[in-house]
Amino acid sequence: DSGVTQTPKHLITATGQRVTLRCSPRSGDLSVYWYQQSLDQGLQFLIQYYNGEERAKGNILERFSAQQFPDLHSELNLSSLELGDSALYFCASRSGRRNTGELFFGEGSRLTVL
Amino acid sequence: TQLLEQSPQFLSIQEGENLTVYCNSSSVFSSLQWYRQEPGEGPVLLVTVVTGGEVKKLKRLTFQFGDARKDSSLHITAAQPGDTGLYLCAGVGAGNNRKLIWGLGTSLAVNP
Repeated sequence: DSGVTQTPKHLITATGQRVTLRCSPRSGDLSVYWYQQSLDQGLQFLIQYYNGEERAKGNILERFSAQQFPDLHSELNLSSLELGDSALYFCASRSGRRNTGELFFGEGSRLTVL
Repeated sequence: TQLLEQSPQFLSIQEGENLTVYCNSSSVFSSLQWYRQEPGEGPVLLVTVVTGGEVKKLKRLTFQFGDARKDSSLHITAAQPGDTGLYLCAGVGAGNNRKLIWGLGTSLAVNP
């Protein structure tokens, strides 16, 4: 158990819909990362938050947005869903804001868009 | 653009065999991490290597960081079914570029 909690574990929805994925980081970790994992593109970094503020942006589409709340949990919002958005979405946390040290991953949210 | 290439992409071996997987780049990294991901779970850190030429051992797993800090290898001795999983390397850029770059992974299947 990494200490990172993600909900829901599985989600099936239709094209055009909007979903919200939720992440609770490890106790005490201020940085939250969101990743998308698909078979053909591997683990793609989407966005990082540190203590409530956006820290770094990766390959995040404009249809996607995220935020980190004062209690440090984070949500990833995916809208106008397309078939190609079907993937595993991982949240990870670490204590510091820099890209050093261990990343602790949740079990992921598997999104299927039909 | 920094890239990390992992090879082989897929590997299926019998229990007891040895194997090596590689993580290569043309860029220098300040450190490199290896993670293992099992089906239905997130990646879990195995090791971090920092110094060029560094060798770290974790039971039957041996990790090496290249002298120039551009490449790394993972060698598994006497593989067991429990070693099955996706092995990912991730490098932290050197200098002012501190991005974490991920390889696509090596999917390992160890058959009993």
